[in-house]
Amino acid sequence: NAGVTQTPKFQVLKTGQSMTLQCAQDMNHNSMYWYRQDPGMGLRLIYYSASEGTTDKGEVPNGYNVSRLNKREFSLRLESAAPSQTSVYFCASRGLRTLIPGNTIYFGEGSWLTVV
Amino acid sequence: GQQVMQIPQYQHVQEGEDFTTYCNSSTTLSNIQWYKQRPGGHPVFLIQLVKSGEVKKQKRLTFQFGEAKKNSSLHITATQTTDVGTYFCAGYAGNNRKLIWGLGTSLAVNP
Repeated sequence: NAGVTQTPKFQVLKTGQSMTLQCAQDMNHNSMYWYRQDPGMGLRLIYYSASEGTTDKGEVPNGYNVSRLNKREFSLRLESAAPSQTSVYFCASRGLRTLIPGNTIYFGEGSWLTVV
Repeated sequence: GQQVMQIPQYQHVQEGEDFTTYCNSSTTLSNIQWYKQRPGGHPVFLIQLVKSGEVKKQKRLTFQFGEAKKNSSLHITATQTTDVGTYFCAGYAGNNRKLIWGLGTSLAVNP
């Protein structure tokens, strides 16, 4: 049982390049999230998907797109990377909200992205 | 918008000293969760509080949820070097679909 798996763990991009961060969970969770974490800024929600087939913008969606490919997978795409997108990205998932611990969020190990 | 303020931003203690971090929400929360992130790691769920005035303990950690369900605290008794990390509070409000995160308190412990 791997939990939440995200790839790649590290990536260096040049300004203007595109890339996709992949995320998969094996806990049969409905909700999936993409966060970015920057020093002093905490965790900021980029996009989330409450269920398969739906996606919604979070606090900082500009410059990103997402795809909820199926219940397991939720990818984050940077179409034209900018230095401001240098950050640590976390994928996360959550089960049924009425159940404990199903209400908690499980995070992947993070993807360190540098845009030069 | 809905906000969760967390203080202090940083705390540096000597091993054995106590530590407390506080969360204050601008809106009533249906529940509050606490997460710990070790340096270089990812946030890991610690506990969830749901009831007004609830207090829960995990060994040296004591979590409280305020009577008005707008504030919460995490208290660590006799800190150890293994307590090093950033502690986040996060609360569900309204329709329970998104967590509102505090900015975290980074704890450093001198051995």
